[in-house]
Amino acid sequence: EVQLVQSGAEVKRPGESLRISCQASGYNFTNFWIGWVRQMPGQGLEWMAIIYPGDSDTRYTPSFQHQISVSVDKSIRTVSLQWWSLKTSDTAMYYCAILGAGAFDVWGRGTLVTVSS
Amino acid sequence: DIQLTQSPSSLSASVGDRVTITCRASQSLSRWLAWYQQKSGEAPNLLIYKGVILESGVPSRFSGSVSGTEFTLTISSLQPDDFATYYCQYYKEFLGTFGQGTKLDI
Repeated sequence: EVQLVQSGAEVKRPGESLRISCQASGYNFTNFWIGWVRQMPGQGLEWMAIIYPGDSDTRYTPSFQHQISVSVDKSIRTVSLQWWSLKTSDTAMYYCAILGAGAFDVWGRGTLVTVSS
Repeated sequence: DIQLTQSPSSLSASVGDRVTITCRASQSLSRWLAWYQQKSGEAPNLLIYKGVILESGVPSRFSGSVSGTEFTLTISSLQPDDFATYYCQYYKEFLGTFGQGTKLDI
């Protein structure tokens, strides 16, 4: 079974750093792009970035380009999303998902990130 | 940048109704458009990809169509399980964007 398991909920203070993760199983990990999607409270979905585990090629949506970093560790089949200095506006649910034919066809359950002073 | 305009933003309907949701693109997308359903507190679920292809396991009452830069999601006969929020999403040259969403309720 193809599965994405995301790390648990986080509560952080503004200015802190954070890395959340997404571990894949059940398919050829290096052959499919994985993306991150943000959903702020009560809001819609936002495409943040995608990464190709095979060669770590990463493509960011311009509005997220300098706010986050996406990386991959092939040895543990895990993609990560990192912030160096969180803002309260980063409070959101973050989903990872596998990109198939131009669409995200398998999703993780999401990681809730709360940033509050 | 490609702009997606999804309409309506909300829709009230009844079980058995036929419902259509539209996504208009500011330029040609070929058929690189997908539709998702999201229920409250859950991750989105892919319904349609490449404009018209039904994802495996999705009921056949869902269908997608394309006319130029206008994409349509149709639910032929609403079931109680279909009340949710629906999003369109385009993909082009390693970037994508989601529509604003359509909340479908009773």
